[in-house]
Amino acid sequence: NAGVTQTPKFQVLKTGQSMTLQCAQDMNHEYMSWYRQDPGMGLRLIHYSVGAGITDQGEVPNGYNVSRSTTEDFPLRLLSAAPSQTSVYFCASSEVNTEAFFGQGTRLTVV
Amino acid sequence: AQSVTQPDIHITVSEGASLELRCNYSYGATPYLFWYVQSPGQGLQLLLKYFSGDTLVQGIKGFEAEFKRSQSSFNLRKPSVHWSDAAEYFCAVGDHYTDKLIFGTGTRLQVFP
Repeated sequence: NAGVTQTPKFQVLKTGQSMTLQCAQDMNHEYMSWYRQDPGMGLRLIHYSVGAGITDQGEVPNGYNVSRSTTEDFPLRLLSAAPSQTSVYFCASSEVNTEAFFGQGTRLTVV
Repeated sequence: AQSVTQPDIHITVSEGASLELRCNYSYGATPYLFWYVQSPGQGLQLLLKYFSGDTLVQGIKGFEAEFKRSQSSFNLRKPSVHWSDAAEYFCAVGDHYTDKLIFGTGTRLQVFP
């Protein structure tokens, strides 16, 4: 059982480049979300989705876009990367009112 | 607004000693509460959760936590720490309607032999 799969695991971008962080889950969960983790700040919610076709902003959405065309996939797009977006990104999925399952993370460096 | 406070940034204990990690939350209704553990370079693993019922909940790896509504707390405890428990621990509160998780800033646990 794969759970939540994130790709890539590591990425280096130049300022201004764009990229998409992939997230896929095979548990048929309705809820999916993206967090970023920075030292001393815990995990902060970027965007979340309560089902296919429905997305909403979290605590720190600026600079990021998401879409949810299928239940399984929830990609996170950086349109123009900035050094402030250097972070570790985690995708999570859950069923209604249950615990979240997390991917292994994507470590992104923007130079 | 919902929030979670973990007042201890870094805790150091000796192997075999008891452990208590503090967590206080702010939430308008009865919260869903979680403790997650993160080993270096890894994702987050659920230790335990509280949704309702018995306020003392048991988790994996010998951890337990007690929900105290009057103190808005959900402290994590372990009677005897092992060196493999060294990691970062996150407390989180879950929103009933959106399933959003609000995390605390984490407590890094260091274990000395």
